Amino acid sequence: GESVGLHLPTLSVQEGDNSIINCAYSNSASDYFIWYKQESGKGPQFIIDIRSNMDKRQGQRVTVLLNKTVKHLSLQIAATQPGDSAVYFCAESRQGGKLIFGQGTELSVKP
Amino acid sequence: DAGVIQSPRHEVTEMGQEVTLRCKPISGHNSLFWYRQTMMRGLELLIYFNNNVPIDDSGMPEDRFSAKMPNASFSTLKIQPSEPRDSAVYFCASSFGASNEKLFFGSGTQLSVL
Repeated sequence: GESVGLHLPTLSVQEGDNSIINCAYSNSASDYFIWYKQESGKGPQFIIDIRSNMDKRQGQRVTVLLNKTVKHLSLQIAATQPGDSAVYFCAESRQGGKLIFGQGTELSVKP
Repeated sequence: DAGVIQSPRHEVTEMGQEVTLRCKPISGHNSLFWYRQTMMRGLELLIYFNNNVPIDDSGMPEDRFSAKMPNASFSTLKIQPSEPRDSAVYFCASSFGASNEKLFFGSGTQLSVL
């Protein structure tokens, strides 16, 4: 079946270290991927997106990598800070269709 | 920009009562989405509108749920009658154009049906 899922439900990192959050998708027709950050009591906040014609995209302290061969998406956060503690969701869409969200990974940053 | 504005932030009601959730999208955005978030099912798309017209309501659970968008700056999601299993956080999101990309979410309404 079609699904977007995460390898790790929880991730704990030390402040200053780099974080890597992974996501798997099953539909090779997916052509758009997006990462959201959700802090407690708030709505999801856009972080970065990538289209299937790219394999890497960088933002401020964040990088998204797309490996279409193995249908894998990752979010890398450099120099993780306490303010990065949140639940991170990947989502996919197919040909402009609706976004399908994964279950989320909780990132905990230890001072 | 104030972002997507939802009200109320919290709603506690009794089973059988009518519940109305409200949303004001970002000015200039012409796509609006209603999502429901639970621990068990994650983020689920209920319905989305483009230019005030419902495009896909396949995610609406049942006839007890209805959504309207009378104008570009306002939408409601109504549950009548409400049931305990409707308890969840309901998010409204908007985006520019007909896109399902780069959705901007509101802070959500925490609904508890007793």
